[in-house]
Amino acid sequence: TQLLEQSPQFLSIQEGENLTVYCNSSSVFSSLQWYRQEPGEGPVLLVTVVTGGEVKKLKRLTFQFGDARKDSSLHITAAQPGDTGLYLCAGGRFGNEKLTFGTGTRLTIIP
Amino acid sequence: NAGVTQTPKFQVLKTGQSMTLQCAQDMNHNSMYWYRQDPGMGLRLIYYSASEGTTDKGEVPNGYNVSRLNKREFSLRLESAAPSQTSVYFCASSEESGSYTEAFFGQGTRLTVV
Repeated sequence: TQLLEQSPQFLSIQEGENLTVYCNSSSVFSSLQWYRQEPGEGPVLLVTVVTGGEVKKLKRLTFQFGDARKDSSLHITAAQPGDTGLYLCAGGRFGNEKLTFGTGTRLTIIP
Repeated sequence: NAGVTQTPKFQVLKTGQSMTLQCAQDMNHNSMYWYRQDPGMGLRLIYYSASEGTTDKGEVPNGYNVSRLNKREFSLRLESAAPSQTSVYFCASSEESGSYTEAFFGQGTRLTVV
């Protein structure tokens, strides 16, 4: 059973366009993280959000945690080829060191 | 600045062979993990270790064993490899930052079982 579903599974857009990817669950998490993974590498942490409704910005990337702490979104403005990669969300629960990872969104930015 | 180091990077096994994947971290983290990554499945937890001397099963432990040799090292063993274990394996370690966990990953081991 996959607790965290990401959509879309694949996304291919032109450089300069905006995009949003989603991470949804029926379970509540105390924290939500987004990782980016490039080919041949392990995932690298981008951001952690811990408060319902929280919004964090990392240059052209905006991350939001849903009010009910069951979902999250990642919005990229003016996408660049360097944004290409696999984006994974991961949910954490307070007092539990294990993370639950989502199914992933594979993003390709076409120059 | 090594972080999490996994060996080997690539491996081909015949069905029934055994092997051990090695992982070491130099960040003094207590928790370590083994994940497998398959297309469309994200990362699935095989085993984890919350501290030296302890290990626990994750989501997909069947066919695997682990050893937490010391605080730095956490190995994953396949006793009798099967084609279903063809996957990319990632080791990770984590630190607790207040109310949440931040995970750091190795570069992965791409395993093919023929």
